Amino acid sequence: AQKVTQAQTEISVVEKEDVTLDCVYETRDTTYYLFWYKQPPSGELVFLIRRNSFDEQNEISGRYSWNFQKSTSSFNFTITASQVVDSAVYFCALSEADRGYQLIWGAGTKLIIKP
Amino acid sequence: GAVVSQHPSWVICKSGTSVKIECRSLDFQATTMFWYRQFPKQSLMLMATSNEGSKATYEQGVEKDKFLINHASLTLSTLTVTSAHPEDSSFYICSDAGGADTEAFFGQGTRLTVV
Repeated sequence: AQKVTQAQTEISVVEKEDVTLDCVYETRDTTYYLFWYKQPPSGELVFLIRRNSFDEQNEISGRYSWNFQKSTSSFNFTITASQVVDSAVYFCALSEADRGYQLIWGAGTKLIIKP
Repeated sequence: GAVVSQHPSWVICKSGTSVKIECRSLDFQATTMFWYRQFPKQSLMLMATSNEGSKATYEQGVEKDKFLINHASLTLSTLTVTSAHPEDSSFYICSDAGGADTEAFFGQGTRLTVV
């Protein structure tokens, strides 16, 4: 069965600390895609990254980095030197070609960055 | 990049009335659109898949007669909440399907409050 698990319901750190948001997924497909979205209080979803199953390279974008490990079915997201503006709910999601790219969502992790 | 525009951003309506939410793809054609519902502090829940020119596919437990979906053109899908009740108050979000080469694009969301 397809599933995305974000075990951390809420994380609270002080500004400038590094923080890692965990994401573990389950799928039987060999072709799949993993995503991270940010949802600030306004509610609008902000796309952060998309990674396909054939590309295990880690990615860095400014203060954001992602660690994709197929061996552990994980796609973790790290924010370096966190800022108050990073406070939001972050969702990890999975889509599969065989399911018409329909997104399967994790429960989300609420990240609170304290000044 | 591709844009999905959703209106209205928020709406307050009286119990028993109907509310229509529009989701437009502004610079591309979308044969498939997804409609989600999100309760406070929860993840996105897929309600239905809207297909241009055919009937929508509803997820288990979603009343098709209450949540009417119309996808009459390749650029417009609408969700009508009929005979709204306070328990229908929620955040509704639409998106296109994405695909092998692109992520899904989301509307801004509609916050519905039924009083």
